[in-house]
Amino acid sequence: SQTIHQWPATLVQPVGSPLSLECTVEGTSNPNLYWYRQAAGRGLQLLFYSVGIGQISSEVPQNLSASRPQDRQFILSSKKLLLSDSGFYLCAWSSGGAADTQYFGPGTRLTVL
Amino acid sequence: GNSVTQMEGPVTLSEEAFLTINCTYTATGYPSLFWYVQYPGEGLQLLLKATKADDKGSNKGFEATYRKETTSFHLEKGSVQVSDSAVYFCALSESRMKTSYDKVIFGPGTSLSVIP
Repeated sequence: SQTIHQWPATLVQPVGSPLSLECTVEGTSNPNLYWYRQAAGRGLQLLFYSVGIGQISSEVPQNLSASRPQDRQFILSSKKLLLSDSGFYLCAWSSGGAADTQYFGPGTRLTVL
Repeated sequence: GNSVTQMEGPVTLSEEAFLTINCTYTATGYPSLFWYVQYPGEGLQLLLKATKADDKGSNKGFEATYRKETTSFHLEKGSVQVSDSAVYFCALSESRMKTSYDKVIFGPGTSLSVIP
């Protein structure tokens, strides 16, 4: 069966510090991968998606970036965090094709102070 | 563009009460429709889905029927439990090819609290 992992589970970082969140998927190959952010009490905002290694598309302009160095690894990064980057970050995968279900990881709670 | 609208709540019910969370959508074409659930501090889990008109998705006592004529996908449960307390997201997926991506549009979420 497929599983999706995210780490760390929680993170507290000062403003201006770098960020690296990692997501890995097991039990499937060539998945579509997604990064979402969920601000407190709000819905989900799609940040990045990837349909293959090295292929990254951004949905919204921001100081975050994403990379996909391996087929089942998706990394969210920042060189300098802002207060507004605080939130709950969710990674998801889907197997692709028409209208397929997305499966979510457990999330990372990021607090920028 | 495509969109999803749902009652934002919060909704508070007593245990064993009947639950309805309304969801309506705007879409071109024929999207698939989903309900996801998010328990406190966790990621989203797929609750149920329907891929074409008149389909009924069901899971764990929850049901939702894809109504194309009213562009709705309301979530219902006959008797809620305290363990159903969570945030519920209605979503639609635009059909795309593998070379693109499965864009899922989420509603804002409805917070449900069930009290004993």
